[in-house]
Amino acid sequence: EVQLVESGGALVQPGGSLRLSCAASGFTFSSYWMSWVRQAPGKGLEWVANIKQDVSEKYYVDSVKGRFTISRDNAKNSLYLQMNSLRAEDTAVYYCARDRSLGVLSGKSELDPWGQGTLVTVSS
Amino acid sequence: AIRITQSPSSLSASTGDRVTITCRASQGISSSLAWYQQKPGKAPKLLIYAASTLQSGVPSRFSGSGSGTDFTLTISCLQSEDFATYYCQQYYSYPLTFGGGTKVEIK
Repeated sequence: EVQLVESGGALVQPGGSLRLSCAASGFTFSSYWMSWVRQAPGKGLEWVANIKQDVSEKYYVDSVKGRFTISRDNAKNSLYLQMNSLRAEDTAVYYCARDRSLGVLSGKSELDPWGQGTLVTVSS
Repeated sequence: AIRITQSPSSLSASTGDRVTITCRASQGISSSLAWYQQKPGKAPKLLIYAASTLQSGVPSRFSGSGSGTDFTLTISCLQSEDFATYYCQQYYSYPLTFGGGTKVEIK
């Protein structure tokens, strides 16, 4: 069974840092682009970042550029999101998600499956 | 960034109704559009990709159409398990962007 399990969400003060993890199983992790998507409480979905299979390409939404870093460890079947200089507006459930199909060259793809999400709250 | 305008933001419908949700992109995105269903407290679930291709395991009462800038998700005969929030997503260019969502509620 394909599974994605996020962890690392917490309450953090503005200006603080946090590292999210996503453990993948049931598929060949190293063959897929992976993304982070977030959802603020009661709001819609916002794509945050994605990373190519060999880490040679990474893309970010403008609002997190310079503050967030996406990374992966294919040997550990794991995806990460390092979040620095956190702001109140970063408060959200963070989901990791996989490109639906193998062989996507650009990372521009529909996402399936998704993990269950981990909650990040930025507040003093 | 490509803006996706989704409408309506909410609708009330009854079991058995035909429901239509639309997404309009701020520029042409070919057929690079997906539809997701999200239930409260759960992760989004992919329903349709490439504007009209049904994801494996998704009931055939769901269908998608459109290309360029205008897209439609249709639920032909609403079932109780379909009451949820629906999102469209463009993957034509970065940043990937989502519509604002449509909440389908019980009338």
